[in-house]
Amino acid sequence: GQNIDQPTEMTATEGAIVQINCTYQTSGFNGLFWYQQHAGEAPTFLSYNVLDGLEEKGRFSSFLSRSKGYSYLLLKELQMKDSASYLCAVRDRDYKLSFGAGTTVTVRA
Amino acid sequence: IAGITQAPTSQILAAGRRMTLRCTQDMRHNAMYWYRQDLGLGLRLIHYSNTAGTTGKGEVPDGYSVSRANTDDFPLTLASAVPSQTSVYFCASSDGTSGPNEQFFGPGTRLTVL
Repeated sequence: GQNIDQPTEMTATEGAIVQINCTYQTSGFNGLFWYQQHAGEAPTFLSYNVLDGLEEKGRFSSFLSRSKGYSYLLLKELQMKDSASYLCAVRDRDYKLSFGAGTTVTVRA
Repeated sequence: IAGITQAPTSQILAAGRRMTLRCTQDMRHNAMYWYRQDLGLGLRLIHYSNTAGTTGKGEVPDGYSVSRANTDDFPLTLASAVPSQTSVYFCASSDGTSGPNEQFFGPGTRLTVL
């Protein structure tokens, strides 16, 4: 099984940078995902890491260290629309995802 | 339709009643999943299907059943609803053949069992 930990809440100012950490313990690692979920909506895919290192996608970047069981999602140039929950999820070898409880990010003007 | 649809959008149900949540995708994805999302607990996998005709149990399968008669549909049935099944239910699908195979989520069904 998987044990996934991420902070419950974070607050940041518009235009700033926020880093959301995720640690995991897994019995069979096959990739790590980050999803964004606005209140009352479905999760949407943000990023995927399967090898160590940084993946960059516009204002969002995700990092993975498999040996440390650690990932982070970096949100740059924060905008008000980035206020949402960010879900860290680990995939096993059967292609099933286990999710962390999510980190609620509030962006203040 | 495009993507994944779920029905109903929301439902209030008396305890002990039977209820089927519907999920349909038009992306010809092989794999489909049912999750429940509860405050503070995140998304938890109920049942999944890697391909039509096969199903498997997730983390919290008790009280739920699924079937996968074809590629597009993956209904979730609560045989006798209990208040602890009050939750938001999300259906998802993924291609499962190459690349990241990210899961695409439906809009969700908000279920209240009284």
